[in-house]
Amino acid sequence: DSGVTQTPKHLITATGQRVTLRCSPRSGDLSVYWYQQSLDQGLQFLIQYYNGEERAKGNILERFSAQQFPDLHSELNLSSLELGDSALYFCASSSTGQNTEAFFGQGTRLTVV
Amino acid sequence: AQSVTQLDSQVPVFEEAPVELRCNYSSSVSVYLFWYVQYPNQGLQLLLKYLSGSTLVKGINGFEAEFNKSQTSFHLRKPSVHISDTAEYFCAVSDLGSARQLTFGSGTQLTVLP
Repeated sequence: DSGVTQTPKHLITATGQRVTLRCSPRSGDLSVYWYQQSLDQGLQFLIQYYNGEERAKGNILERFSAQQFPDLHSELNLSSLELGDSALYFCASSSTGQNTEAFFGQGTRLTVV
Repeated sequence: AQSVTQLDSQVPVFEEAPVELRCNYSSSVSVYLFWYVQYPNQGLQLLLKYLSGSTLVKGINGFEAEFNKSQTSFHLRKPSVHISDTAEYFCAVSDLGSARQLTFGSGTQLTVLP
């Protein structure tokens, strides 16, 4: 158990809909990262938050957004869903300091039908 | 920007045989290097990491990796694999800045055969 909790584990929704994925980081970790794992694109970094503020942005579509709340949990919002958005979405968290590593949650599997 | 190339998408190997999973990276700046393992229907677990110091890094489950700066490689090795090592393995890099997001390779599926 990595200590990172993601909910829900599975999500099935229709095209055009909006969903919210939730992540609770390890206790004390200020950084939260979101990654997308799909068959055609592999594992891609989407966005990072640090202590409530956006720190870095990767290949995140404009239809997607995220935020980190004062209690440090994070949500990834996906809207106007398309079939190609079906993927496994991972959240990871890390603490500050040089020798830190990212701990990954078990992921949310999103299926768009 | 960084990129990671995992040279083999699938590696079948017999139980108790040695294995090497290859990883090359490209970056204009110094990087940290990682190997993660993903078991079926699970998240990513860190096997080992290279931050600095000794170029031979030992990780969990008997795995080790060697950082070769001149060849920009970070190959993963295990002298004797078990059936339970069957999984997908990802090589990743991050820069040394404050963001530290990971750039992953495309993964290598290791299948250990009885």
